Amino acid sequence: GDSVTQMEGPVTLSEEAFLTINCTYTATGYPSLFWYVQYPGEGLQLLLKATKADDKGSNKGFEATYRKETTSFHLEKGSVQVSDSAVYFCALGPMNTGFQKLVFGTGTRLLVSP
Amino acid sequence: NAGVTQTPKFQVLKTGQSMTLQCAQDMNHNSMYWYRQDPGMGLRLIYYSASEGTTDKGEVPNGYNVSRLNKREFSLRLESAAPSQTSVYFCASSEENGQSYEQYFGPGTRLTVT
Repeated sequence: GDSVTQMEGPVTLSEEAFLTINCTYTATGYPSLFWYVQYPGEGLQLLLKATKADDKGSNKGFEATYRKETTSFHLEKGSVQVSDSAVYFCALGPMNTGFQKLVFGTGTRLLVSP
Repeated sequence: NAGVTQTPKFQVLKTGQSMTLQCAQDMNHNSMYWYRQDPGMGLRLIYYSASEGTTDKGEVPNGYNVSRLNKREFSLRLESAAPSQTSVYFCASSEENGQSYEQYFGPGTRLTVT
């Protein structure tokens, strides 16, 4: 079945460092790919998405590119802030259908220190 | 516009007790979901409802029942709680038409079964 593999955390960085969180997937067909973020004590919220190969999703300085050849969707940010400390989830879902049954990775905790 | 609301925020049960987790959304979404979040496991889908009047099992449905009371509300019931059901439970909703690929999450219910 479909699955998502994320790098284990926690990822610990100093403010203004470069961030990469790896995500690879296994799926039939051509899924949509997502990054969700969970801040402490809150539910998940969508950070960015890409719906087809070579698409780049971006939001709040974060970027991820849908790479079909490597089945990857790595999350990057050029300069992290303390406020980016959260758990990040990679997810995949069916393409262009009304019903979104997502498959989530296990999450990667990011800790950013001043 | 409250989005997705869940009650209660915290609950402690003894083994064998029953309870119902409530979820409501005010975004007129057709699809609703219940997930559980456990350390190292990410989010796992318990049940979902693609539209009012329909419900289907997800990845981990054993020990749970759901009711889609109307378009707004989707409740999760534990008939006889077990320590293995200690978890954080999230409700989510999404649009039907596939133009938006975003699931909207509630703030979660932290359940402890002793």
